Amino acid sequence: LAKTTQPISMDSYEGQEVNITCSHNNIATNDYITWYQQFPSQGPRFIIQGYKTKVTNEVASLFIPADRKSSTLSLPRVSLSDTAVYYCLVGAYYGGSQGNLIFGKGTKLSVKP
Amino acid sequence: GAVVSQHPSRVICKSGTSVKIECRSLDFQATTMFWYRQFPKQSLMLMATSNEGSKATYEQGVEKDKFLINHASLTLSTLTVTSAHPEDSSFYICSARASGGVTDTQYFGPGTRLTVL
Repeated sequence: LAKTTQPISMDSYEGQEVNITCSHNNIATNDYITWYQQFPSQGPRFIIQGYKTKVTNEVASLFIPADRKSSTLSLPRVSLSDTAVYYCLVGAYYGGSQGNLIFGKGTKLSVKP
Repeated sequence: GAVVSQHPSRVICKSGTSVKIECRSLDFQATTMFWYRQFPKQSLMLMATSNEGSKATYEQGVEKDKFLINHASLTLSTLTVTSAHPEDSSFYICSARASGGVTDTQYFGPGTRLTVL
């Protein structure tokens, strides 16, 4: 299972763009990259998933370079409600190695007014 | 879509009693469900993988006789904490992976806060 490394914490202000980078040097060919958001006393919420290049949805963008050894979650114009812990995980195809998602420590994002 | 529910959301019990937690996928079928435990200020720790119609696979260090898992249908998995003790107090979270999915996208329930007195 590919191990991920993220900054423990980040601070930002309302309205700014926040980029959280995750390193996964041992990512396997079949691994996808998935980001989750977790508020205190709640289950993680799926944000975005990608394999390579760039993926964008209504809440975030995910940038993955060609070597896939890292990925960057981009949150545009954050608000106070974006204060949460963000987890980067890598996991295999369902039909592949059946790798389960292993949570690291995540990045605690604090958005200030 | 992809909604997972858990019941109860919060439970307080006496030491020595058993507690059952339900995890349901509301709008999709899940051949695989996962159970996690999260202690305060820590990350989620995978406890076991629950496959519909077969025995659960437990992570190293997790007692299968203490944490009984049943995945009787494609939309329901249950975790029973038997003979609970104060050290079992934690936040228990389930997740479900859609059947036929290509990637390992898991959708999580809201969690169950267990307090053992």
